Amino acid sequence: GAVVSQHPSWVICKSGTSVKIECRSLDFQATTMFWYRQFPKQSLMLMATSNEGSKATYEQGVEKDKFLINHASLTLSTLTVTSAHPEDSSFYICSARESGRNEQFFGPGTRLTVL
Amino acid sequence: GEDVEQSLFLSVREGDSSVINCTYTDSSSTYLYWYKQEPGAGLQLLTYIFSNMDMKQDQRLTVLLNKKDKHLSLRIADTQTGDSAIYFCAERTMDSSYKLIFGSGTRLLVRP
Repeated sequence: GAVVSQHPSWVICKSGTSVKIECRSLDFQATTMFWYRQFPKQSLMLMATSNEGSKATYEQGVEKDKFLINHASLTLSTLTVTSAHPEDSSFYICSARESGRNEQFFGPGTRLTVL
Repeated sequence: GEDVEQSLFLSVREGDSSVINCTYTDSSSTYLYWYKQEPGAGLQLLTYIFSNMDMKQDQRLTVLLNKKDKHLSLRIADTQTGDSAIYFCAERTMDSSYKLIFGSGTRLLVRP
């Protein structure tokens, strides 16, 4: 149980294009989903928290117009990197939490490379 | 603000015990977690402990919490080569956001 998937697992895009990453909870309903960014050999940096049906809460320094988050259902959240640039290249990981539970379960991550 | 620190690297011989340490600053942390990350993969939840507990054991894993010193450790008994990975500790903030604050990660290398 408690499986979280991400799609795609990796993506290469040209500078200026937009990329959408999906995060799905496969066997539970995720009241809250989190989006993280991880640079090589570094820890995870929380970008935003999204609760189903409401607007995402962004961490300080994260541009909400650049990283669009949608959490339209209890099993799906999407992160869209708009007008991507090479500095947006990173490993993006989502996690999901079920209401009433203490655990956060993580997806396998999406490696984004912007050329 | 909250801060979580870990040593960067640990090397042990296969079959020995590994102890990964973590310190945190937020005394109001409610839950503390240990995650494992293998290369190119997401994070796997290993175990977690509630802040009013001192110890939790789960098969080869033992978590010790010293709340007074704000020190958390993860002991892996009979370490295997498959345990080689990066281990992150994380604290959950006391507010209602359920956000996790992660340490920098400890790279564990298990030598045959």
